[in-house]
Amino acid sequence: QKEVEQDPGPLSVPEGAIVSLNCTYSNSAFQYFMWYRQYSRKGPELLMYTYSSGNKEDGRFTAQVDKSSKYISLFIRDSQPSDSATYLCASTRGNTPLVFGKGTRLSVIA
Amino acid sequence: DVKVTQSSRYLVKRTGEKVFLECVQDMDHENMFWYRQDPGLGLRLIYFSYDVKMKEKGDIPEGYSVSREKKERFSLILESASTNQTSMYLCASSPGQGTVWDFFGPGTRLTVL
Repeated sequence: QKEVEQDPGPLSVPEGAIVSLNCTYSNSAFQYFMWYRQYSRKGPELLMYTYSSGNKEDGRFTAQVDKSSKYISLFIRDSQPSDSATYLCASTRGNTPLVFGKGTRLSVIA
Repeated sequence: DVKVTQSSRYLVKRTGEKVFLECVQDMDHENMFWYRQDPGLGLRLIYFSYDVKMKEKGDIPEGYSVSREKKERFSLILESASTNQTSMYLCASSPGQGTVWDFFGPGTRLTVL
């Protein structure tokens, strides 16, 4: 079993929809959780970062971690065509390299 | 802003050639990483380095080697390129010391014919 699992999609939603992207992880030692956004033919860029359980909000984006169920979520409110990208979740204990999910490709249709 | 640069955006090489991919970061980061990204397989860690002249194998080191002679530069070497090494190669760096996330370069699309 891969340490971080992510549904690859693709996911297609209309503009303005609420998007929910999810990952599960198996390593209970993971303490740090990240979401990256990757546009086509570009490198990934950090979108959100969370330490341990809880929620973090940044504009239209909310990252949520539930350590009891080993579940990582990213919510996008009022989605825009410019949000169309591949979203990658990642986790680490803190002193080891990041472990990435395979990424979910999102298309927001105008 | 942190900048991670990679020597080429696109590269085409022949089977058996020795290939060098260069990565430079300008923010004095301790840690550097090489990943490859393939459809359906996601990002896979090839090698990483937590210090100058230090290297550690990642998940898929076979067929690759690395060099880190200076803190800002991390090179990936394909000793004898093969067609199954056709991929997107991504370099990343992180500060260490409590900052755990990676900053990525733009990637090099390598095609081996």
